[in-house]
Amino acid sequence: EAGVAQSPRYKIIEKRQSVAFWCNPISGHATLYWYQQILGQGPKLLIQFQNNGVVDDSQLPKDRFSAERLKGVDSTLKIQPAKLEDSAVYLCASSTPGGNEQFFGPGTRLTVL
Amino acid sequence: GQNIDQPTEMTATEGAIVQINCTYQTSGFNGLFWYQQHAGEAPTFLSYNVLDGLEEKGRFSSFLSRSKGYSYLLLKELQMKDSASYLCAVRDNTGGFKTIFGAGTRLFVKA
Repeated sequence: EAGVAQSPRYKIIEKRQSVAFWCNPISGHATLYWYQQILGQGPKLLIQFQNNGVVDDSQLPKDRFSAERLKGVDSTLKIQPAKLEDSAVYLCASSTPGGNEQFFGPGTRLTVL
Repeated sequence: GQNIDQPTEMTATEGAIVQINCTYQTSGFNGLFWYQQHAGEAPTFLSYNVLDGLEEKGRFSSFLSRSKGYSYLLLKELQMKDSASYLCAVRDNTGGFKTIFGAGTRLFVKA
C-alpha cells in the first residue's frame, strides 16, 4: 500500500514570494491534515479536512495561508506572501474517519530567506 | 485551552529501560497518542490510549491516567535505533476532533 505522498521535498524561496505544497493521502483515507513543524517543536495542526470539508482551521493564518481539497482526495497548501518565520517542515497526514493512527508523509522542508 | 508537557531531553544506556512522562490539560479529552520521530523524518505512530491503564506492544508500553492528566511511554531493552524524539499528543473533541502535539522528548541511547 502506497503511503502519503508530498511534493516538493525541499523548497527555498525569498520572503514575500508565494509557494504551494501538494499532498496525496493514502487511498480511502477521508481525513487529511496539514501540520507545520518548526525545528525543535512538535507538529502544529494548520487545517484538517474530512473529505472536501474543513473540520478545523483555527490555527491557520488565513491572511497568508490557504488550503483546498476540492475533490476530497489530494490537497494543496499555499503561502502567499511568505515570511521568514514560515521556515519549517510542512507535514501532511491522513487517516480513516475516526481512525486513531495518522499516517504522515515525508514532509516539505521550506526555507524562507 | 490545551497544554502538553514532556521533558526536553533524556539519555539512557543500550539495553536499559526508560520512561518518558507526559502531562496534559485539555477540556475535551478523547485519547492520547505517542509518536516516534527520527531526525529528519516524519512521525510514526506508536500507541493510543483512551482508557486508564497500560497498553503493551512489544518493547513499548504506554500508560494513561485520565484523572491525573498523565501518561508515560516505557521503552524496554533499549537499542541504538531508539534514539529519536518521542511526541505525546492529545485528541480534543472541543469543536471538532483536533490532535495537539507536545514539543517532544529527544531520547539519546548510548552504548
